[in-house]
Amino acid sequence: EPEVTQTPSHQVTQMGQEVILRCVPISNHLYFYWYRQILGQKVEFLVSFYNNEISEKSEIFDDQFSVERPDGSNFTLKIRSTKLEDSAMYFCASSVYSDSPLHFGNGTRLTVT
Amino acid sequence: AQTVTQSQPEMSVQEAETVTLSCTYDTSESDYYLFWYKQPPSRQMILVIRQEAYKQQNATENRFSVNFQKAAKSFSLKISDSQLGDAAMYFCAYRSARTNSGYALNFGKGTSLLVTP
Repeated sequence: EPEVTQTPSHQVTQMGQEVILRCVPISNHLYFYWYRQILGQKVEFLVSFYNNEISEKSEIFDDQFSVERPDGSNFTLKIRSTKLEDSAMYFCASSVYSDSPLHFGNGTRLTVT
Repeated sequence: AQTVTQSQPEMSVQEAETVTLSCTYDTSESDYYLFWYKQPPSRQMILVIRQEAYKQQNATENRFSVNFQKAAKSFSLKISDSQLGDAAMYFCAYRSARTNSGYALNFGKGTSLLVTP
């Protein structure tokens, strides 16, 4: 069964550095998402993306965050200047249509030191 | 904004027994989707079951079924014949059906399910 793949599985970075989290959604999916989960807390929506533009973003998704689909397969989340509180598990997800179930990747654990 | 509440931080069930996880939500919308996701220790989010609000019939997926009470805004998950592999964090989630909503999933805080032999 096709899967959403995320790389790396674990990223350690210093505060103030830029990080790019990478995702390869399922190939026929049209809608893409990023979520994050701070350790011990609930999963929070960051952003949704369709037709090469952001459909919706949460309050968390401020100017430090950006998303891009640089080619036909990758979907990236960039954090420009990481803060300690950005440490979390970041999940990429995709869906075929807007009302289809989301398929999640295994997540990237980001640790900011 | 819609809120999803899971009032049970932890639940425990014996193998082969049945357990029900609670979820309530708050919305003014009439059309939406509800989900249960499972997150095992591997941290992957796995879809367990999905319910469309316009459907009166409760969704069922093998040992997993829901009790959807739209008027009460309640969406509980029943796991029958519990197995050790069911041990995980379970998240209830709400998703608007509005076309301009961005289709974001709004999660509850989760219920940690322990399955004992």
